[in-house]
Amino acid sequence: EVQLVQSGAEVKKPGESLKISCKGFGYSFTNYWIGWVRQMPGKGLEWMGIIYPGDSDTRYSPSFQGQVTISADKSITTAYLQWSSLKASDTAMYYCARHGTTVTAPDYWGQGTLVTVSS
Amino acid sequence: QSVLTQPPSASGTPGQRVTISCSGSSSNIGSNFVCWYQQLPGTAPKLLIYRDFQRPSWVPDRFSGSKSGTSASLAISGLRSEDEADYYCAAWDDSLSGVLFGGGTKLTVL
Repeated sequence: EVQLVQSGAEVKKPGESLKISCKGFGYSFTNYWIGWVRQMPGKGLEWMGIIYPGDSDTRYSPSFQGQVTISADKSITTAYLQWSSLKASDTAMYYCARHGTTVTAPDYWGQGTLVTVSS
Repeated sequence: QSVLTQPPSASGTPGQRVTISCSGSSSNIGSNFVCWYQQLPGTAPKLLIYRDFQRPSWVPDRFSGSKSGTSASLAISGLRSEDEADYYCAAWDDSLSGVLFGGGTKLTVL
C-alpha cells in the first residue's frame, strides 16, 4: 500500500529556517516524481514543485522558485521542503504528493504538515 | 489566480446528479490528462479520477469523469450527504512545466 507520512506541525518565528519531511512507503521511491502543494487557510491548492528522486531533477512553480528548496534522500525514501527565512505569509498546510513516473498531476497524498509562522 | 476555471460552488439534494466543470487551455487540459480530487473538511485531498475518467479502486462508480477539448467535467450521481466536500481539478501544463489546479468547487448537499 502506497503511503506518504509527513513530519509534524511546526510553529516558527519570522526569519527562522525550517525543513519538513515526507517519507514514502509501499512503492519504488526512486521511480516516481514527488512534490509539494500549499494550502493557505481557507484557500485552494497551489502546486509548488516536484523532484525525481532517481536523479534529483527538480522543477519549481515560478511562484515558489527561489522561495523554497525541494530535495530528496533516496536512501531513506524521504522528500523535503525547506525555507531559509520564513515569513508570516508562509503560514499554511503543506502536503507532499506522489506524481507519476512521468510528469503528471499527483495521485497519492500525505496527511499534511501545518506550518505556523508568528512572532 | 487559477488558470483552470471551476465554479466556486455547486449544490444538490440527496439522490440528485451534479456536474462540476473545469475549463483550461491547449497547454494543459487540451494536451494532458486531468485528475480530480475530493477534499473533505479537515483532511488531505484524495484522488477521485485520473487520466480523465479512470477511477481508483476505492472510488465508487457514482463518480465519473469526462473530457472534451480543453474542458473536463466531474459528475456525481446518487448524491449523498457524505459527498459534501471541496472538489479540485488538476492537469500538467506544458507552458508552465508544472501542475495547475482549479480554484476548487465547494459542493453542498441540501
